[in-house]
Amino acid sequence: RKEVEQDPGPFNVPEGATVAFNCTYSNSASQSFFWYRQDCRKEPKLLMSVYSSGNEDGRFTAQLNRASQYISLLIRDSKLSDSATYLCVVISQGGYNKLIFGAGTRLAVHP
Amino acid sequence: EAQVTQNPRYLITVTGKKLTVTCSQNMNHEYMSWYRQDPGLGLRQIYYSMNVEVTDKGDVPEGYKVSRKEKRNFPLILESPSPNQTSLYFCASLGGGYEQYFGPGTRLTVT
Repeated sequence: RKEVEQDPGPFNVPEGATVAFNCTYSNSASQSFFWYRQDCRKEPKLLMSVYSSGNEDGRFTAQLNRASQYISLLIRDSKLSDSATYLCVVISQGGYNKLIFGAGTRLAVHP
Repeated sequence: EAQVTQNPRYLITVTGKKLTVTCSQNMNHEYMSWYRQDPGLGLRQIYYSMNVEVTDKGDVPEGYKVSRKEKRNFPLILESPSPNQTSLYFCASLGGGYEQYFGPGTRLTVT
C-alpha cells in the first residue's frame, strides 16, 4: 500500500463548479500536510498547508481528518486556470522530516 | 529572486554515457533533494542532503550519485545511464515551514 494515495482522476468539471479531492495517508504519526499544484510539464508549487482545524484561502478550502487519516481540498467556483494536477504531500516522521508525495489528481475545468 | 535552477532542461543521451544534471539554489537552504517523476508513480526521492558533505539515499537511489561540496549546489550524476532512467527530474530545496522549492525540471531520455 502506498503511503499517500490519491484518486488520479481526471476530474472534468465545468467552470463555476465545486470540486473536492481526497487524499489518504497510511502513517498515523504524520504531522504536517500540504497541497501542491503542478501545471503540465512544470514544477510543483505549494498551494496551501493543511491545518488541523481546517483552513481556507479564497476559493480553496483544505481539511484534515486525523481519525480517518485523510485530507481534502475543496475548490469552489472553478476557473479554467484551476486546470492542473493537485498533489497531496505528507511529512513522514522517519528519522528526518521526509516529504511523501501522492501521485496527484488531475483536474480539467472546461467552459 | 529566490529560485532553484537546473541544467540542462532537456537531454537525450545514449545508454552508458555518463551525465551530470546541475542544481543550484540561492536561498541558503540546508536541505536539498532530487526527485524523479514518472506517470502514475508521482514524485519519488532519489537522494537528499541535509547540509554540505551530508548526503543520503532516498527511495530510488540505484544508478545515481550526488555530491554536496557547497551549500548552493547539489548535482545529480548518472555514471552509466540506462533506458529505465528516462524520466522527469526535479531538484528541490526545503525552506522554513517545510515549503519545498522546486527547480524547473530536467526531462531526460536515455536510448
